[in-house]
Amino acid sequence: DAKTTQPTSMDCAEGRAANLPCNHSTISGNEYVYWYRQIHSQGPQYIIHGLKNNETNEMASLIITEDRKSSTLILPHATLRDTAVYYCIVRLGANAGGTSYGKLTFGQGTILTVHP
Amino acid sequence: GAVVSQHPSRVICKSGTSVKIECRSLDFQATTMFWYRQFPKQSLMLMATSNEGSKATYEQGVEKDKFLINHASLTLSTLTVTSAHPEDSSFYICSARAPRLAGGPKVTDTQYFGPGTRLTVL
Repeated sequence: DAKTTQPTSMDCAEGRAANLPCNHSTISGNEYVYWYRQIHSQGPQYIIHGLKNNETNEMASLIITEDRKSSTLILPHATLRDTAVYYCIVRLGANAGGTSYGKLTFGQGTILTVHP
Repeated sequence: GAVVSQHPSRVICKSGTSVKIECRSLDFQATTMFWYRQFPKQSLMLMATSNEGSKATYEQGVEKDKFLINHASLTLSTLTVTSAHPEDSSFYICSARAPRLAGGPKVTDTQYFGPGTRLTVL
């Protein structure tokens, strides 16, 4: 799976939008971009994923550049409860098959701290 | 939907004993579950992939005889840490791969994680 690069940490004021960048310059055509977050001492929580189109759900928006080499996770109105480590992961799609299918490789992620 | 539970949430045991951790998908069937381990201030590391009805596939460096995985049903996988030692103390997290949920958002083949099990070996 392609590797990702994320900033080590970011700060955001409560109520403001949090924009978390991720670089995945070696992504291949059948790899999806997934975002998870992990609040301290809990299991990771799925946020959103996409292939090439921008995506939005009740938690966040995912903006993927046209060349797919980078993406941005947007939390539109950050709250204190959004303080967590955010992981950007590139993963093979369902039609890839093989032993690598489905595996998630976690990097160090971005520590997002939301301030009052 | 897509809830994964783990039991127990916390366990303390003596060195040399075995500990079993259960991972259940509560509202969906999961043909594939994954087991991860996370040491303090580190990221999650995949230990093994568990497929229902077949042997688990272990990542390089993970001892299959020490970390026994059983995936006997579509909603339950277990991880047994045999002859646990203090260096096995860690946060163990499972995930289950969900099929596309009927009527739900476009969530295809996504992994959902359990809350984790904190293992402390004395």
